[in-house]
Amino acid sequence: RKEVEQDPGPFNVPEGATVAFNCTYSNSASQSFFWYRQDCRKEPKLLMSVYSSGNEDGRFTAQLNRASQYISLLIRDSKLSDSATYLCVVNLSSGDKLTFGTGTRLAVRP
Amino acid sequence: NAGVMQNPRHLVRRRGQEARLRCSPMKGHSHVYWYRQLPEEGLKFMVYLQKENIIDESGMPKERFSAEFPKEGPSILRIQQVVRGDSAAYFCASSPLSTRRNYGYTFGSGTRLTVV
Repeated sequence: RKEVEQDPGPFNVPEGATVAFNCTYSNSASQSFFWYRQDCRKEPKLLMSVYSSGNEDGRFTAQLNRASQYISLLIRDSKLSDSATYLCVVNLSSGDKLTFGTGTRLAVRP
Repeated sequence: NAGVMQNPRHLVRRRGQEARLRCSPMKGHSHVYWYRQLPEEGLKFMVYLQKENIIDESGMPKERFSAEFPKEGPSILRIQQVVRGDSAAYFCASSPLSTRRNYGYTFGSGTRLTVV
């Protein structure tokens, strides 16, 4: 089983759609969780941290389910500019390194 | 604040040459991480350093790869005797605090290494 697993997609959605990405992680002792966004041939950029109680930032909502070792990202009212790869990222252990999923590709069409 | 600075942006090396990749963390950041991204693949952790210390090098290949973060100057990732399989994007990231406090990394724009 991969340490951080995501559906690679692609998710192809029309503008205005709501889309959800899921991610599972292997270590129940994991402490920190993030979603990053990566555009083609660019560096990953932090989208949002994920907190136990769930958190929202504008059109983006992140949820964490520790019991199921599962993280989600919901994007409402998709924009063309949301087209990118979304990376699920976890601090799996007591160390400081972050482990990245391979990403879920999103394509928003007009 | 200039962000995480990596240079060069693109590097071409012939097989057997050495590649040196540089990373200057954001001002005030004391933690530096190197990741490698092969074409069409995810980011793989290589090494985590603080000033003058390698904290975790569990992702570094056993041979030809080394990293340092001296007291003065940038962090350097060094690849000796490069081979075609080393062609990848190498990203450096920095953070001011432990990621266990839910503080993520800021990445540089990467160095794209091509071995010919």
